[in-house]
Amino acid sequence: AQTVTQSQPEMSVQEAETVTLSCTYDTSENNYYLFWYKQPPSRQMILVIRQEAYKQQNATENRFSVNFQKAAKSFSLKISDSQLGDTAMYFCAFETSGSRLTFGEGTQLTVNP
Amino acid sequence: GAGVSQSPSNKVTEKGKDVELRCDPISGHTALYWYRQRLGQGLEFLIYFQGNSAPDKSGLPSDRFSAERTGESVSTLTIQRTQQEDSAVYLCASSPVRGAGTEAFFGQGTRLTVV
Repeated sequence: AQTVTQSQPEMSVQEAETVTLSCTYDTSENNYYLFWYKQPPSRQMILVIRQEAYKQQNATENRFSVNFQKAAKSFSLKISDSQLGDTAMYFCAFETSGSRLTFGEGTQLTVNP
Repeated sequence: GAGVSQSPSNKVTEKGKDVELRCDPISGHTALYWYRQRLGQGLEFLIYFQGNSAPDKSGLPSDRFSAERTGESVSTLTIQRTQQEDSAVYLCASSPVRGAGTEAFFGQGTRLTVV
């Protein structure tokens, strides 16, 4: 079974600074997908960024980028120029063609003014 | 509607009563998931449906929990004889296909409180 681990229950960052959220996973699969989802206080889960394991290039979406280390099974999220609206719970998630979407325990990020 | 819709948004029920939660997925989405999220915690998988295939029920915590979905339409999650530990937010998500790296679209959840 696949597992996803987020070792940082809480993080905080000052507005405009950069923060990195950690995620590791365990799988024997070679082809899979990794995601970061954001859950603000409204409870609405929103996809932040996605990475296909067969792609070596790290995914980037505006201020959000990932550091995907396949050999280390690591998938961290970097948020640059943090904004107050980035305050949310962030979940790392994993999926293969043969399994369901599995989430980590989440990291609560607070952006301070 | 354009998104995943869940009803009710909030539900307070007495211990021992049955509750039914509803999820309307995005039209055309074949995959549908139910997750449970206890306060301040991650998403606990409950069940998923993929088209007309047999659902994966491996996450259902007890036989008090059941879910149905007809084809690619509405799904209902039923909790019988509710207990206080069932209090949580129940999230539904749908995606065009499962396991292909497509985005899962979530509803806003139903907050269930068992008193």
